[in-house]
Amino acid sequence: GQNIDQPTEMTATEGAIVQINCTYQTSGFNGLFWYQQHAGEAPTFLSYNVLDGLEEKGRFSSFLSRSKGYSYLLLKELQMKDSASYLCASLDSNYQLIWGAGTKLIIKP
Amino acid sequence: NAGVTQTPKFRVLKTGQSMTLLCAQDMNHEYMYWYRQDPGMGLRLIHYSVGEGTTAKGEVPDGYNVSRLKKQNFLLGLESAAPSQTSVYFCASTLSGGASDTQYFGPGTRLTVL
Repeated sequence: GQNIDQPTEMTATEGAIVQINCTYQTSGFNGLFWYQQHAGEAPTFLSYNVLDGLEEKGRFSSFLSRSKGYSYLLLKELQMKDSASYLCASLDSNYQLIWGAGTKLIIKP
Repeated sequence: NAGVTQTPKFRVLKTGQSMTLLCAQDMNHEYMYWYRQDPGMGLRLIHYSVGEGTTAKGEVPDGYNVSRLKKQNFLLGLESAAPSQTSVYFCASTLSGGASDTQYFGPGTRLTVL
């Protein structure tokens, strides 16, 4: 079966660094996406990885290990506005996204 | 450039009633998708379309129908609503369905079925 696992909730402090992990098992693999979703709003794109390694984009970085079926999203210099859910999604062999349930990130001052 | 819009934003139905959710995009995207999002679960694909006049079933299509008569519009219909269809419905679109294509989401429709 297809499965995406990520922690349900994490708490971090403003200004700190947090790493949100995601493991995936899908029928085929065509890349790993991270989306951000603020409460009551639509998901918005953060990153896409298809090759192993780290992709850095400002305060956000995303890492992929295809052999381990593992990805993480790294958020640096946390701000209160980063309080949101972070959704991990794997693109399967049919080019359909399989979504995790999301990690709710709570930022404390 | 409005992106992806959805109508209505909120709706309450009684069991057995029908309704249509409208999704519109002005980005000239080929692919469009309907998802539902329930607490504690990932987004689940209901139906999708790879171009005008085409539709295909996703992971959870039962109880829903769709139509894509115009490229910019994708309609989701509930013929006889059930409480299990209480959910937040998101429409999304991508340019061509390629591996790295970003999905752009509408603001969502919050549907309650009593």
